[in-house]
Amino acid sequence: DVVMTQTPVSLSLAIGQPASISCKSSQSLLGTSGKTFLNWILQRPGQSPKRLIYQVSKLYSEVPDRFSGSGSETEFTLKISRVEAEDLGVYYCWQGTHFPLTFGSGTKLEIK
Amino acid sequence: QVTLKESGPGILQPSQTLSLTCTFSGFSLSTYGMGVGWIRQPSGKGLEWLANIWWDDDKYYNPSLKNRLTISKDTSNNQAFLKITNVDTADTATYYCARIRGELDYWGQGVMVTVSS
Repeated sequence: DVVMTQTPVSLSLAIGQPASISCKSSQSLLGTSGKTFLNWILQRPGQSPKRLIYQVSKLYSEVPDRFSGSGSETEFTLKISRVEAEDLGVYYCWQGTHFPLTFGSGTKLEIK
Repeated sequence: QVTLKESGPGILQPSQTLSLTCTFSGFSLSTYGMGVGWIRQPSGKGLEWLANIWWDDDKYYNPSLKNRLTISKDTSNNQAFLKITNVDTADTATYYCARIRGELDYWGQGVMVTVSS
């Protein structure tokens, strides 16, 4: 199975500060189609996960453009240009290139 | 508007079979490329993918659960199902279903399942 390693485990940031979360995979996530199926989701407290980014860097339509994703092969990053109060929760990366699908262990973003 | 809602027994005993239903709207499992996945999350812990089913009835399972999983669908009634046989306390979790359109994109609210004697 592909192991997804996220760092840091937690972040405590003030509103307006930038955030950066790293996600590393144990194998390349570049698929035979030429696409890289690395995705990000956010689970706010007491809620189910919500979609954020797919295929490394593509934002879903409802996601604010302060979010961005980058990376390739085995190293990926989620960035928030300026954290807002609604951004608190646990961020997970997950890969859909190889079965079984696997998730990172999560990064908890707290607002100072 | 895409919505999914999971339902299940709430509590069951070890060795029983867990049956979960995902009732959805806003998409059809008869549409090319569409699918539904099941994912679970023990309280306070991370996410574990369980199984996917696609419009053409193709199915994928997580090998870690060996042969305990069965995923199925009822296209006419916009439902997907997951059965887990021979449950034990380690299967206690919140179970989510999610739409697949390329990726798992829309998630249901989840249903809590407790396995306890």
